[in-house]
Amino acid sequence: GNSVTQMEGPVTLSEEAFLTINCTYTATGYPSLFWYVQYPGEGLQLLLKATKADDKGSNKGFEATYRKETTSFHLEKGSVQVSDSAVYFCALPANQAGTALIFGKGTTLSVSS
Amino acid sequence: NAGVTQTPKFQVLKTGQSMTLQCAQDMNHNSMYWYRQDPGMGLRLIYYSASEGTTDKGEVPNGYNVSRLNKREFSLRLESAAPSQTSVYFCASSEDYGYTFGSGTRLTVV
Repeated sequence: GNSVTQMEGPVTLSEEAFLTINCTYTATGYPSLFWYVQYPGEGLQLLLKATKADDKGSNKGFEATYRKETTSFHLEKGSVQVSDSAVYFCALPANQAGTALIFGKGTTLSVSS
Repeated sequence: NAGVTQTPKFQVLKTGQSMTLQCAQDMNHNSMYWYRQDPGMGLRLIYYSASEGTTDKGEVPNGYNVSRLNKREFSLRLESAAPSQTSVYFCASSEDYGYTFGSGTRLTVV
């Protein structure tokens, strides 16, 4: 089956700093790729997605580009805010059949003012 | 718009006790999932149901059973709880890959 690896955290930044969270994957074919976010005490929410190579997913100032050459889907934001403090998960389908997703271990982001 | 509702939100069990975690969705999604979340381990898939009447094992199914009661409901049962099952359990539903998660059940087995 497919697998995903994302950078360990925690990541601690000051407000307005640049954010990168690395995510790499191994997969059969070219699956859709996802970033989910989890705020304290809540379930995960879809942040952005990309469905084919070279696609850029974007939402709320976050971006990630599907790079098939490097099998990567790194999450970036140019200027983080305190409200971005959360846990971020990279995800992709477990295999080519069905819709079950597998998730990375999560990266905790803490932003201070 | 309730989305995915999980009950209970918190539960403490003694080793060997059984319980069922309930999950219901109101979005008419075909697929439903149970994950557990543990520190440093991320989310791991326990079981999933691609459609009403079907269930499949995920990455960590041992010690659990599931029932897809109808299109709305997908329950997770622990027959004989063990301390290793202390975790936060999330139910989710989806149409394609657009997942909606419940708010979780925090389970402690002592």
